[in-house]
Amino acid sequence: NAGVMQNPRHLVRRRGQEARLRCSPMKGHSHVYWYRQLPEEGLKFMVYLQKENIIDESGMPKERFSAEFPKEGPSILRIQQVVRGDSAAYFCASSLLPADQPQHFGDGTRLSIL
Amino acid sequence: GQQLNQSPQSMFIQEGEDVSMNCTSSSIFNTWLWYKQEPGEGPVLLIALYKAGELTSNGRLTAQFGITRKDSFLNISASIPSDVGIYFCAGQFTGANSKLTFGKGITLSVRP
Repeated sequence: NAGVMQNPRHLVRRRGQEARLRCSPMKGHSHVYWYRQLPEEGLKFMVYLQKENIIDESGMPKERFSAEFPKEGPSILRIQQVVRGDSAAYFCASSLLPADQPQHFGDGTRLSIL
Repeated sequence: GQQLNQSPQSMFIQEGEDVSMNCTSSSIFNTWLWYKQEPGEGPVLLIALYKAGELTSNGRLTAQFGITRKDSFLNISASIPSDVGIYFCAGQFTGANSKLTFGKGITLSVRP
């Protein structure tokens, strides 16, 4: 499967724990975007990264949330000290150079906070 | 921030019928995209539009980029049961500000 790979598909955490969501972009894609989707809502942009750089994090909460896309390995979205309101589907998308090529999405990680 | 408007929230049609969905924005975008999402999956790209006035087809799907750059429509002809899903429009700028802004989606149901 040459598509965007996200894991885990489902993640359950208790309040106060940490959640790590991983995303491997399509082969050859060096631009990664993270989006959050609440039930019956559209996707909301969180952060845009290129290899080793955060380009736009305007949609990501300033506290508890961080993202990285290292030179080697997948992109990681990290949520510290999770709260019930963090429950959502988190989607990753990737695109080719240049950045204005279509974004292709993974199947998401469904995060549930107990 | 920018908002894309899609309405109605749900549409119910008979198999074989055509259906048209509209998406409007308060802002101009350089690119319009249409995605379809099925339960438990991520959005799948249907059509991407890059020029004002552009009309593009993908099988039974046709989409247009409005002349004002503030709207787009998607038309599905001769609907079939597997067209069921949520259809999202998304607008995009180019360059460093290339995030997608999504509408809330339209849930399409097709009666056999």
